[in-house]
Amino acid sequence: GDSVTQTEGLVTLTEGLPVMLNCTYQSTYSPFLFWYVQHLNEAPKLLLKSFTDNKRPEHQGFHATLHKSSSSFHLQKSSAQLSDSALYYCALSPGTGGYKVVFGSGTRLLVSP
Amino acid sequence: NAGVIQTPRHKVTGKGQEATLWCEPISGHSAVFWYRQTIVQGLEFLTYFRNQAPIDDSGMPKERFSAQMPNQSHSTLKIQSTQPQDSAVYLCASSLEIWSNTGQLYFGEGSKLTVL
Repeated sequence: GDSVTQTEGLVTLTEGLPVMLNCTYQSTYSPFLFWYVQHLNEAPKLLLKSFTDNKRPEHQGFHATLHKSSSSFHLQKSSAQLSDSALYYCALSPGTGGYKVVFGSGTRLLVSP
Repeated sequence: NAGVIQTPRHKVTGKGQEATLWCEPISGHSAVFWYRQTIVQGLEFLTYFRNQAPIDDSGMPKERFSAQMPNQSHSTLKIQSTQPQDSAVYLCASSLEIWSNTGQLYFGEGSKLTVL
């Protein structure tokens, strides 16, 4: 079945340093990949979504590139901000074959001054 | 749009009691999902409805959990004989299922269930 792996449970960074959160996946189809962000005491909300035409999605300074050869969709940002501290989930939707969205276990990002 | 509405926001039950959680999806969204969130497991898929019909309940613990969607404006998740390990935040999400929007879920704020 479909699955998403996030290897880091916690990432701690100093403000201004680059961010990279890892995400790999397994899927029978050519899935859509997503990053969702959840701030403390809030609902998860969509941060980024992969495109079918290999464009690189960007939002709030974050970007991610879908690499089908390595089944990866790592989240990156050039300079971390204190407000980036949150829980980040990588997720996939099979696209063809269904709309069930499967999430990884999540990575908590803590940015300190 | 008011967003996805979940009630109650917090529920405390004793072991063995029943808990029912409600979800009102965004008007016009054809898909409703239920997830369970814990620190250890993250976001676990429970079940999924499309146009009120159950599509996939592969994540539901079979014996005590059940979900229904009697009309397009609400869904319920019922847990019978609650156990301490059921303690979690239960999240409902809805989605407009069109090709360009596949996988974009809109989550409610969740119902935090505590089983004593």
